[in-house]
Amino acid sequence: SQQGEEDPQALSIQEGENATMNCSYKTSINNLQWYRQNSGRGLVHLILIRSNEREKHSGRLRVTLDTSKKSSSLLITASRAADTASYFCATVPLIQGAQKLVFGQGTRLTINP
Amino acid sequence: NAGVTQTPKFQVLKTGQSMTLQCAQDMNHNSMYWYRQDPGMGLRLIYYSASEGTTDKGEVPNGYNVSRLNKREFSLRLESAAPSQTSVYFCASSERPSGIHYNEQFFGPGTRLTVL
Repeated sequence: SQQGEEDPQALSIQEGENATMNCSYKTSINNLQWYRQNSGRGLVHLILIRSNEREKHSGRLRVTLDTSKKSSSLLITASRAADTASYFCATVPLIQGAQKLVFGQGTRLTINP
Repeated sequence: NAGVTQTPKFQVLKTGQSMTLQCAQDMNHNSMYWYRQDPGMGLRLIYYSASEGTTDKGEVPNGYNVSRLNKREFSLRLESAAPSQTSVYFCASSERPSGIHYNEQFFGPGTRLTVL
């Protein structure tokens, strides 16, 4: 069964606005990763946050992790048309031997010019 | 570097036919993975290989077999294809197993498989 659930399933905003996507998961984790998938392509890694970290930045990306609520958020600031893609969170559950990622269903983000 | 390559890009099979999906990486990674992605769903792990010489089942292994041919190559075989195996298949690799080593995964472009 899938560990992570993204919210919302789809998000449409205007270029220049900020986009926030949320991920909730069920079991304790070692780390959580966010990936982007452009239509018809493979996934590309964006950022990794460890279970002992609360916030991480990379360019226009900001990720937060709240292990007490078992949730994470991905914020994309000053969105661009090129940010249009699906975004997936992936967790490494501690109970599963810490050797594989478990992906959520993804958020489909559309940036309107 | 080509990264992770997959062949073929597209394939149509009839029920009962067999085929092998090929995956290769040129990043000298130890770990490799096979996922399937169905509409409206995230990726589900079929099999993985934490290191050369080892393979383990993932979440949805039934109907599939894998071979870690060498450090570079990891193939996925469908022995008797079924319509339920219609999906997009992704291969991925990481330097070491994702998890305690905090490694990201690198993905190939995918194989779109249709089983009639």
